[in-house]
Amino acid sequence: KAGVTQTPRYLIKTRGQQVTLSCSPISGHRSVSWYQQTPGQGLQFLFEYFSETQRNKGNFPGRFSGRQFSNSRSEMNVSTLELGDSALYLCASSLLGQGGTEAFFGQGTRLTVV
Amino acid sequence: GENVEQHPSTLSVQEGDSAVIKCTYSDSASNYFPWYKQELGKGPQLIIDIRSNVGEKKDQRIAVTLNKTAKHFSLHITETQPEDSAVYFCAASRRHGNNRLAFGKGNQVVVIP
Repeated sequence: KAGVTQTPRYLIKTRGQQVTLSCSPISGHRSVSWYQQTPGQGLQFLFEYFSETQRNKGNFPGRFSGRQFSNSRSEMNVSTLELGDSALYLCASSLLGQGGTEAFFGQGTRLTVV
Repeated sequence: GENVEQHPSTLSVQEGDSAVIKCTYSDSASNYFPWYKQELGKGPQLIIDIRSNVGEKKDQRIAVTLNKTAKHFSLHITETQPEDSAVYFCAASRRHGNNRLAFGKGNQVVVIP
């Protein structure tokens, strides 16, 4: 069974640009969550999608957005990039969209903003 | 919201010894506690989890204990091996409701051969 796939693995963008990251969950999983990982703040929750609906959002500015498609694949978008957005962005896939469900992470997308 | 703290931040152990990482949480409604291992350049890997209806769970060389009264849970790794060297994260979430995990800041475990 294929794991969680995130593309691209690495990105370099310039301040002010926007970026779209992609996540394909494990087959059959309907919940996709996104996390930002930085050395200073650790792993922070961005948002969660279940059946194409955003069910929960973390404490991030509106520049961070996402969506989920009918096949459960998800994308997240960051507009007007800032240097502080440089981070590892991780996607987690879960079978169900409720707490207490095992979450499996992808390898992440390393975003560098210059 | 939930606040999860991990101690110590770095742990060095001799190969073959045991390693213990402790976490505390603040939200009494949390009842799912997974542990993740992250190696350099990789995403976090789920290694074990525990739910609040049990106090201890074991899987080969790793075990997790939970004390709901004190709001803390611990990861125990026995007979450590060099491949156990990694960053370990604890997390917590509520069983009912959304699928949001609150993570600790992570522990760097170094196993010295």
